[in-house]
Amino acid sequence: NAGVTQTPKFRVLKTGQSMTLLCAQDMNHEYMYWYRQDPGMGLRLIHYSVGEGTTAKGEVPDGYNVSRLKKQNFLLGLESAAPSQTSVYFCASSYRDRALLQYFGPGTRLTVT
Amino acid sequence: ELKVEQNPLFLSMQEGKNYTIYCNYSTTSDRLYWYRQDPGKSLESLFVLLSNGAVKQEGRLMASLDTKARLSTLHITAAVHDLSATYFCAGRTGNQFYFGTGTSLTVIP
Repeated sequence: NAGVTQTPKFRVLKTGQSMTLLCAQDMNHEYMYWYRQDPGMGLRLIHYSVGEGTTAKGEVPDGYNVSRLKKQNFLLGLESAAPSQTSVYFCASSYRDRALLQYFGPGTRLTVT
Repeated sequence: ELKVEQNPLFLSMQEGKNYTIYCNYSTTSDRLYWYRQDPGKSLESLFVLLSNGAVKQEGRLMASLDTKARLSTLHITAAVHDLSATYFCAGRTGNQFYFGTGTSLTVIP
């Protein structure tokens, strides 16, 4: 089992460019999440999904879009990147149970210049 | 919105000593979580505390939850260098998780 994987690991964008981050999990988890982590801060939830074809906003959704067309994949899109979106992005997944124990991917380091 | 506060933010402790990290949260949280993050790495789930009075232990780490006080603690017993990392607590309302800013722990020989 690969667990949770993220593509790419690193990316540099110019302001106004777009990109998509891919998260994939092979644990048959129902729930998936996208977080961002900024220096000196904890993780902040961007969007999440409780199942294929469904998504919901988290704490900091502005400037991002997501899609979950397949159960194992959760895509995070930046349509017009801004320097404020420079961050490390983590994807996580969990079973739909009482605990919602999360398994995290290795992260994507994004720099917007 | 659930607010989660941890203290201390930085902790330097000698090997063999005991210490406690505190996690306060502002409103009712469905669950309380503890995570570990090594520098430049991802997060690893340590504990999930499901109800008031819950206590979980793994090795030198023990986590507890007091929902009436809105407080969770992570107690470190006889610290060793391998425990050096950043520890996060997180609360949850519905399907949304809210993280504290983390406690950076350094264990000194």
